[in-house]
Amino acid sequence: QKEVEQDPGPLSVPEGAIVSLNCTYSNSAFQYFMWYRQYSRKGPELLMYTYSSGNKEDGRFTAQVDKSSKYISLFIRDSQPSDSATYLCAMKTGGGADGLTFGKGTHLIIQP
Amino acid sequence: DSGVTQTPKHLITATGQRVTLRCSPRSGDLSVYWYQQSLDQGLQFLIQYYNGEERAKGNILERFSAQQFPDLHSELNLSSLELGDSALYFCASSARGVGNEQYFGPGTRLTVT
Repeated sequence: QKEVEQDPGPLSVPEGAIVSLNCTYSNSAFQYFMWYRQYSRKGPELLMYTYSSGNKEDGRFTAQVDKSSKYISLFIRDSQPSDSATYLCAMKTGGGADGLTFGKGTHLIIQP
Repeated sequence: DSGVTQTPKHLITATGQRVTLRCSPRSGDLSVYWYQQSLDQGLQFLIQYYNGEERAKGNILERFSAQQFPDLHSELNLSSLELGDSALYFCASSARGVGNEQYFGPGTRLTVT
């Protein structure tokens, strides 16, 4: 079992729809959770960063973390064609230095 | 633009060769991280440096090494290259050693033939 599982998609939705992207994880030591957006052949761009459980909203993006279920979500409201990209969840244990553990990413397509 | 720069953008080399990838972190960031992205493995953490010292190691092969210089730029050295080393190599930086918010550069695409 991989530490972080993410449906690769593709997920195709019409413009203006609400998009829900999810990851599950197995390591209960993860405390920091991020979402990155990656356009084809570009570097990942940090979208959202949350600590422990709860919700965080930034513009059209909402990140949710449920540590009891080991499940995190990213919601995108009023989706635009420019949101078409691969979305990667990433996680990190607390405290010390370490790299991020990534899901493999979900390929999202917003149809105009 | 994240503020992290990487050179070169593309690199094509032969098996058995050695290459050096370069990264400059965002202004003021002390930590540099190296990641490898391949189709089958996804994004994998290789190694972290903080203010010139190695801080954490991930899935880095013994043929790979890195260092961070006094001006905080970092280099990733890949030697005895194999076909399977073909991948995108990303550098990320963060302000502190803990590195909860990491900002990625544009990457170097390495092709080993």
